[in-house]
Amino acid sequence: GAGVSQSPSNKVTEKGKDVELRCDPISGHTALYWYRQSLGQGLEFLIYFQGNSAPDKSGLPSDRFSAERTGGSVSTLTIQRTQQEDSAVYLCASSPGLVLGETQYFGPGTRLLVL
Amino acid sequence: KNEVEQSPQNLTAQEGEFITINCSYSVGISALHWLQQHPGGGIVSLFMLSSGKKKHGRLIATINIQEKHSSLHITASHPRDSAVYICAVLPGNQFYFGTGTSLTVIP
Repeated sequence: GAGVSQSPSNKVTEKGKDVELRCDPISGHTALYWYRQSLGQGLEFLIYFQGNSAPDKSGLPSDRFSAERTGGSVSTLTIQRTQQEDSAVYLCASSPGLVLGETQYFGPGTRLLVL
Repeated sequence: KNEVEQSPQNLTAQEGEFITINCSYSVGISALHWLQQHPGGGIVSLFMLSSGKKKHGRLIATINIQEKHSSLHITASHPRDSAVYICAVLPGNQFYFGTGTSLTVIP
Protein backbone atom coordinates (compact mmCIF):
# COMPACT_ATOMS: atom_id res chain seq x y z
CA GLY A 1 0.00 0.00 0.00
CA ALA A 2 0.97 3.67 -0.20
CA GLY A 3 3.45 4.93 2.33
CA VAL A 4 3.90 8.39 3.78
CA SER A 5 4.36 10.95 1.05
CA GLN A 6 5.76 14.46 1.28
CA SER A 7 5.77 17.35 -1.11
CA PRO A 8 7.65 19.03 -2.50
CA SER A 9 10.64 16.71 -2.45
CA ASN A 10 12.95 19.69 -2.86
CA LYS A 11 12.37 23.38 -2.25
CA VAL A 12 14.73 26.26 -2.83
CA THR A 13 13.60 29.62 -1.53
CA GLU A 14 14.95 33.03 -0.79
CA LYS A 15 15.53 34.28 2.71
CA GLY A 16 12.43 36.01 4.02
CA LYS A 17 9.92 34.05 1.94
CA ASP A 18 7.27 31.76 3.43
CA VAL A 19 7.21 28.06 2.61
CA GLU A 20 4.63 25.31 3.07
CA LEU A 21 5.59 21.69 3.36
CA ARG A 22 2.99 18.98 3.00
CA CYS A 23 2.70 15.51 4.48
CA ASP A 24 0.23 12.81 3.46
CA PRO A 25 0.27 10.08 6.10
CA ILE A 26 -0.64 6.45 5.58
CA SER A 27 -4.40 6.19 5.29
CA GLY A 28 -6.01 5.56 8.65
CA HIS A 29 -2.98 6.54 10.71
CA THR A 30 -4.03 8.68 13.62
CA ALA A 31 -0.69 10.07 14.73
CA LEU A 32 1.54 12.26 12.61
CA TYR A 33 5.00 13.60 13.43
CA TRP A 34 7.28 16.28 12.01
CA TYR A 35 11.07 16.22 12.37
CA ARG A 36 13.96 18.03 10.79
CA GLN A 37 17.53 17.05 10.09
CA SER A 38 20.03 19.77 9.38
CA LEU A 39 23.06 18.98 7.23
CA GLY A 40 25.43 16.79 9.20
CA GLN A 41 23.23 17.02 12.28
CA GLY A 42 20.99 14.62 14.09
CA LEU A 43 17.24 14.41 14.01
CA GLU A 44 15.22 17.05 15.82
CA PHE A 45 11.62 16.54 16.90
CA LEU A 46 9.30 19.39 15.98
CA ILE A 47 5.69 18.46 16.70
CA TYR A 48 3.21 15.63 16.65
CA PHE A 49 -0.53 15.38 16.06
CA GLN A 50 -3.05 13.07 17.62
CA GLY A 51 -5.86 13.35 15.13
CA ASN A 52 -6.06 17.06 14.34
CA SER A 53 -4.72 18.17 17.70
CA ALA A 54 -1.12 19.00 18.61
CA PRO A 55 -0.79 18.53 22.39
CA ASP A 56 2.66 20.10 22.67
CA LYS A 57 4.05 22.75 20.34
CA SER A 58 7.16 23.54 22.37
CA GLY A 59 9.42 21.61 19.98
CA LEU A 60 8.86 24.11 17.19
CA PRO A 61 12.11 26.12 16.87
CA SER A 62 10.51 29.57 16.78
CA ASP A 63 7.20 31.34 16.30
CA ARG A 64 7.95 31.43 12.57
CA PHE A 65 7.08 27.74 12.49
CA SER A 66 3.51 26.50 12.58
CA ALA A 67 1.78 23.26 11.71
CA GLU A 68 -1.75 22.14 11.19
CA ARG A 69 -3.58 18.99 10.34
CA THR A 70 -7.04 18.80 8.88
CA GLY A 71 -9.49 15.93 8.59
CA GLY A 72 -7.16 13.70 10.53
CA SER A 73 -5.11 13.29 7.39
CA VAL A 74 -2.92 15.80 5.56
CA SER A 75 -0.61 18.05 7.54
CA THR A 76 1.22 21.20 6.53
CA LEU A 77 4.27 22.67 8.17
CA THR A 78 4.61 26.38 7.44
CA ILE A 79 7.77 28.39 7.91
CA GLN A 80 7.34 32.15 7.71
CA ARG A 81 10.11 34.57 6.86
CA THR A 82 12.58 31.77 6.22
CA GLN A 83 16.15 32.09 7.42
CA GLN A 84 19.25 30.31 6.17
CA GLU A 85 19.39 28.24 9.35
CA ASP A 86 16.03 26.75 8.39
CA SER A 87 17.79 24.83 5.60
CA ALA A 88 17.33 21.15 6.43
CA VAL A 89 15.48 18.01 5.48
CA TYR A 90 12.01 18.06 6.97
CA LEU A 91 10.68 14.59 7.67
CA CYS A 92 7.17 13.46 8.38
CA ALA A 93 6.13 10.15 9.93
CA SER A 94 2.84 8.55 10.87
CA SER A 95 1.74 5.75 13.14
CA PRO A 96 -1.51 3.85 13.43
CA GLY A 97 -2.81 4.68 16.89
CA LEU A 98 -3.02 7.36 19.49
CA VAL A 99 -0.23 5.99 21.65
CA LEU A 100 2.78 8.23 21.39
CA GLY A 101 5.84 6.14 20.78
CA GLU A 102 4.34 3.52 18.49
CA THR A 103 6.35 2.32 15.52
CA GLN A 104 6.46 5.13 12.98
CA TYR A 105 6.56 5.06 9.20
CA PHE A 106 8.69 7.79 7.70
CA GLY A 107 8.22 9.76 4.52
CA PRO A 108 11.09 10.55 2.15
CA GLY A 109 11.45 14.11 3.42
CA THR A 110 11.45 17.58 1.89
CA ARG A 111 14.87 19.11 1.33
CA LEU A 112 14.62 22.83 2.00
CA LEU A 113 17.37 25.20 0.98
CA VAL A 114 17.11 28.84 1.97
CA LEU A 115 19.40 31.10 -0.01
CA LYS B 1 23.93 18.42 27.59
CA ASN B 2 22.55 15.71 25.34
CA GLU B 3 19.90 13.53 26.87
CA VAL B 4 20.86 10.65 24.58
CA GLU B 5 24.39 9.39 24.00
CA GLN B 6 25.30 6.76 21.44
CA SER B 7 28.49 4.80 21.02
CA PRO B 8 30.44 4.26 18.98
CA GLN B 9 29.99 7.22 16.61
CA ASN B 10 31.51 5.27 13.74
CA LEU B 11 31.96 1.56 13.29
CA THR B 12 33.55 -0.48 10.52
CA ALA B 13 33.09 -4.23 10.52
CA GLN B 14 33.88 -7.18 8.30
CA GLU B 15 30.96 -9.04 6.81
CA GLY B 16 29.75 -11.70 9.23
CA GLU B 17 30.84 -9.93 12.40
CA PHE B 18 28.58 -9.46 15.42
CA ILE B 19 27.90 -5.78 15.99
CA THR B 20 26.75 -3.91 19.07
CA ILE B 21 25.63 -0.29 19.18
CA ASN B 22 24.93 1.31 22.54
CA CYS B 23 22.54 4.01 23.67
CA SER B 24 22.50 5.65 27.10
CA TYR B 25 19.99 8.22 28.21
CA SER B 26 19.63 10.45 31.22
CA VAL B 27 15.88 10.96 31.52
CA GLY B 28 12.98 8.77 32.51
CA ILE B 29 11.28 7.44 29.41
CA SER B 30 8.15 5.65 28.33
CA ALA B 31 9.67 4.20 25.17
CA LEU B 32 12.88 3.94 23.18
CA HIS B 33 13.18 3.60 19.42
CA TRP B 34 15.93 2.33 17.17
CA LEU B 35 15.90 3.82 13.67
CA GLN B 36 17.93 3.01 10.59
CA GLN B 37 18.82 5.75 8.12
CA HIS B 38 20.01 4.50 4.77
CA PRO B 39 22.73 6.27 2.78
CA GLY B 40 20.05 7.80 0.56
CA GLY B 41 18.41 9.36 3.61
CA GLY B 42 15.35 7.17 4.05
CA ILE B 43 14.50 6.26 7.64
CA VAL B 44 13.06 2.98 8.83
CA SER B 45 11.85 2.28 12.33
CA LEU B 46 13.49 -0.94 13.55
CA PHE B 47 12.22 -1.35 17.09
CA MET B 48 10.12 0.32 19.74
CA LEU B 49 10.99 -0.88 23.25
CA SER B 50 9.62 -0.15 26.67
CA SER B 51 11.19 -3.12 28.42
CA GLY B 52 13.10 -6.33 27.82
CA LYS B 53 14.21 -7.53 24.44
CA LYS B 54 12.94 -7.71 20.88
CA LYS B 55 14.24 -9.67 17.91
CA HIS B 56 13.59 -9.24 14.22
CA GLY B 57 15.63 -11.36 11.85
CA ARG B 58 19.29 -10.67 12.52
CA LEU B 59 18.55 -7.65 14.69
CA ILE B 60 18.14 -7.77 18.45
CA ALA B 61 17.37 -4.82 20.69
CA THR B 62 17.52 -4.80 24.46
CA ILE B 63 16.73 -2.21 27.08
CA ASN B 64 17.57 -1.93 30.77
CA ILE B 65 15.26 0.67 32.25
CA GLN B 66 17.05 0.80 35.61
CA GLU B 67 20.42 1.43 33.99
CA LYS B 68 18.94 3.74 31.32
CA HIS B 69 20.70 1.82 28.59
CA SER B 70 19.78 0.07 25.36
CA SER B 71 21.77 -1.96 22.88
CA LEU B 72 21.17 -2.85 19.27
CA HIS B 73 22.87 -6.03 18.09
CA ILE B 74 23.33 -7.20 14.51
CA THR B 75 24.29 -10.82 14.02
CA ALA B 76 26.06 -12.04 10.87
CA SER B 77 26.45 -8.49 9.57
CA HIS B 78 26.12 -7.85 5.86
CA PRO B 79 27.13 -4.91 3.64
CA ARG B 80 23.44 -4.02 3.25
CA ASP B 81 23.41 -3.28 7.00
CA SER B 82 25.62 -0.25 6.28
CA ALA B 83 23.62 2.72 7.52
CA VAL B 84 23.32 5.18 10.36
CA TYR B 85 21.56 3.76 13.40
CA ILE B 86 19.77 6.24 15.60
CA CYS B 87 18.45 5.87 19.13
CA ALA B 88 15.45 7.98 20.16
CA VAL B 89 13.82 8.25 23.56
CA LEU B 90 10.41 9.45 24.61
CA PRO B 91 10.39 11.06 28.06
CA GLY B 92 7.09 12.86 27.66
CA ASN B 93 5.57 14.51 24.66
CA GLN B 94 8.80 14.96 22.73
CA PHE B 95 11.42 12.69 21.22
CA TYR B 96 15.11 13.14 21.90
CA PHE B 97 17.60 11.66 19.47
CA GLY B 98 21.13 10.40 19.68
CA THR B 99 23.58 11.65 17.09
CA GLY B 100 23.68 8.25 15.43
CA THR B 101 26.19 5.49 14.81
CA SER B 102 27.51 5.22 11.28
CA LEU B 103 28.05 1.56 10.44
CA THR B 104 30.02 0.34 7.44
CA VAL B 105 30.16 -3.38 6.77
CA ILE B 106 32.93 -4.40 4.40
CA PRO B 107 32.51 -7.47 2.19
